[in-house]
Amino acid sequence: ETGVTQSPTHLIKTRGQQVTLRCSSQSGHNTVSWYQQALGQGPQFIFQYYREEENGRGNFPPRFSGLQFPNYSSELNVNALELDDSALYLCASSITGGDYGYTFGSGTRLTVV
Amino acid sequence: DAKTTQPTSMDCAEGRAANLPCNHSTISGNEYVYWYRQIHSQGPQYIIHGLKNNETNEMASLIITEDRKSSTLILPHATLRDTAVYYCIVRETDEKLTFGTGTRLTIIP
Repeated sequence: ETGVTQSPTHLIKTRGQQVTLRCSSQSGHNTVSWYQQALGQGPQFIFQYYREEENGRGNFPPRFSGLQFPNYSSELNVNALELDDSALYLCASSITGGDYGYTFGSGTRLTVV
Repeated sequence: DAKTTQPTSMDCAEGRAANLPCNHSTISGNEYVYWYRQIHSQGPQYIIHGLKNNETNEMASLIITEDRKSSTLILPHATLRDTAVYYCIVRETDEKLTFGTGTRLTIIP
């Protein structure tokens, strides 16, 4: 079975720009979540998608948005980038309805300059 | 906010059992205890989870106290590759994972 893959692995953007990060979920998984991890901190939940709809959101502003596609892959979009958006962005997939663990990707390292 | 309390750091000698404690005194009846670890600059890796009973898999054992207010993750024979940050998380089914700051485990040769 394939795991969770994220692209790109690294990205440098300028303050004010927009960015799109991509995630392919693990085979058989129908739910995708996104997390932001600042340096030295634990991952923080951004939002979760199930059946192509957002069904849970953390304490992040609306300029953080997402999509889930019919094949369960997902995108995270961030508009009007700020310096504090510099972080490791993690995608995790799981199966809704069970007590299974999440499978995380290796993340996208975003640097905003 | 995270519902768990873990020591900030621990050391363990290579080849010995590493025992990582976690307090979750406010856990409710339908919340699971999950353990993940994160090796530098990689995504968190699932280790094990449990509800009431002790659990064991190829990576580790999870011991949950009878009152469910605390648990211990046991790595039976620690290797250098087990050096990582270990996160203990309580989670309802289908709910998000709320990470704390975890325990930084260092395996000493």
